[in-house]
Amino acid sequence: GESVGLHLPTLSVQEGDNSIINCAYSNSASDYFIWYKQESGKGPQFIIDIRSNMDKRQGQRVTVLLNKTVKHLSLQIAATQPGDSAVYFCAVGNFGNEKLTFGTGTRLTIIP
Amino acid sequence: DTEVTQTPKHLVMGMTNKKSLKCEQHMGHRAMYWYKQKAKKPPELMFVYSYEKLSINESVPSRFSPECPNSSLLNLHLHALQPEDSALYLCASSQGRMTDTQYFGPGTRLTVL
Repeated sequence: GESVGLHLPTLSVQEGDNSIINCAYSNSASDYFIWYKQESGKGPQFIIDIRSNMDKRQGQRVTVLLNKTVKHLSLQIAATQPGDSAVYFCAVGNFGNEKLTFGTGTRLTIIP
Repeated sequence: DTEVTQTPKHLVMGMTNKKSLKCEQHMGHRAMYWYKQKAKKPPELMFVYSYEKLSINESVPSRFSPECPNSSLLNLHLHALQPEDSALYLCASSQGRMTDTQYFGPGTRLTVL
């Protein structure tokens, strides 16, 4: 099976600074990785994903980095804004067995 | 349109009640999901419907009964729930596979008294 954990349950970042949220997974056969953002009172919202044939993928103000050697991925948010305050979940999947496992979540708080 | 809608937003029910949660999407997705989320925890998968057929049941108690009337709708029928079933119930949909991007609804906050 797969075990997914986030390194820090909470993270506080000054507005305008960059933030990095880290996630570790256990199954080297995992080949699909997703980050979701969940604001208070809402469902998870897709942010960005990456497949195992890539090391890095960029979106608008977000970058996901994948290190398959150490089974680690990270979400970098540039120039954080108050609206970035939320719980961030990584989810790890496998195309072959159609499984998706969510990590425990990191609560990001942006300090004005 | 990447919206998944869920009704009701909030539901309070007694342990002897029967109620239903509803979910709808109009993205043409053929996979739909029910998740349960307790406070400060990640979503836990309950059921997966693929092409309107139940494909995954994650050993969910029979007091939860899913139904997929058509490719756009997903229901979760609730009967004889326990207080520990109180949680946020999330519906999601994706194109066809679990590893396709899943779009989540806002959830139904369920309280069982």
